[in-house]
Formats: sequence, structure tokens, C-alpha cells
Amino acid sequence: RKEVEQDPGPFNVPEGATVAFNCTYSNSASQSFFWYRQDCRKEPKLLMSVYSSGNEDGRFTAQLNRASQYISLLIRDSKLSDSATYLCVVNSGYSTLTFGKGTMLLVSP
Amino acid sequence: EPEVTQTPSHQVTQMGQEVILRCVPISNHLYFYWYRQILGQKVEFLVSFYNNEISEKSEIFDDQFSVERPDGSNFTLKIRSTKLEDSAMYFCASSPVVDTEAFFGQGTRLTVV
Repeated sequence: RKEVEQDPGPFNVPEGATVAFNCTYSNSASQSFFWYRQDCRKEPKLLMSVYSSGNEDGRFTAQLNRASQYISLLIRDSKLSDSATYLCVVNSGYSTLTFGKGTMLLVSP
Repeated sequence: EPEVTQTPSHQVTQMGQEVILRCVPISNHLYFYWYRQILGQKVEFLVSFYNNEISEKSEIFDDQFSVERPDGSNFTLKIRSTKLEDSAMYFCASSPVVDTEAFFGQGTRLTVV
């Protein structure tokens, strides 16, 4: 069974904090990896793709460790608007994305 | 910014009735998908569609489900005889090529009573 596992959360952090999300995947053949965010009762929105060399987009940094089948997302200087559920997503077939259950982040003033 | 659009945003139907959920994918995208999310659960893959045929489908996508691209812009999901457990948010998505990020519509909330 192709699974994506994430920290159960929720994470409660103050504004300005740094927070890290972890994710593991079971399908060693997966080639594409993403972080999406989902606001309550809304659609998943792409946050960033995750590349083998690691990548950064402003306050967000994603890392991939293929040997450990592990993906991470680091958010620096958290904002109130970062409050959402963060979804780890892995390509698990030719055209199939497998989603983790998500980790909820609550940023408080 | 181009986006995936879905209609209706909310559909209430009686058990046993047929429903059709509609989607307009992003215009230059070639791959289309349906996902669903039962309240409080994770997003689950239903089906992918490319070149006017199903590319992959999950075990959820049984004979009660079908997809169609009736014209050059719409992509539909039909549930033939709805069950209570079909109640969920249904998301349409599209991507320009395979094995890349998908862009999701705002979803159709289906409630079966």
C-alpha cells in the first residue's frame, strides 16, 4: 500500500516562530514531491515542489531525503496567515498523487 | 491567473439519484483528475484522464463512477446511484503534463441524504 505519513499535529506556535513539518513516504519509486496547503473547507493549493537538492521560496524551505524516504518543510518567521493544514503529497503512480492526512498549523498573535 | 473551475459548489441529492459534477480545467492542461475528501479525512485519488481516456483509477472508482470530456472545455464526473458514503468534497484538478504538480478547483460539496 502506498502511504504518506505526516506528524498528526496540530502545531500551535506564536508569530515569528520557526516550525518544521515532517513526512515519510512508502513508495520508493516515487519521483515527484510537493507541499500543498489547505485552508478549512477549501481546495489544496500548491505551496512548493520539493527537489532532491532542497529548495527555498522566501520563508519556506523544503528538503528531500530519498534514501530515508523523508520530506520536510520549514517555515521561518511564521505569520498569522500561515495558519492552515500542510499536506505532504507524493506521486505514487504514472498520474496519481497520494496525499498525507496533513498537519494543522495554528499561528497565534 | 488561470484556474480550474467547478460547478456546482454544493449539491444535495437523495440516495439512489444520479449526479454530475462539472469542471473546466485550465485551458492548456492535458491531464485531468478527480479527487475526493470526506470530511475530516485525507484527499483521495479517484481517477486521471488523458487523451480522452482514463489513465489510472483507484479502487474507489467503481462501476458507479464515470468520467467524460463531452467537449473541448468541460470534464465531468458522474455518480450513477449515490450512496450516503459518497458524501464528500469532490475536487477536480488539472496539470500540463504528467508527474507534475496539479492545480485544484474550489470543489463541489456533495451531500447525499
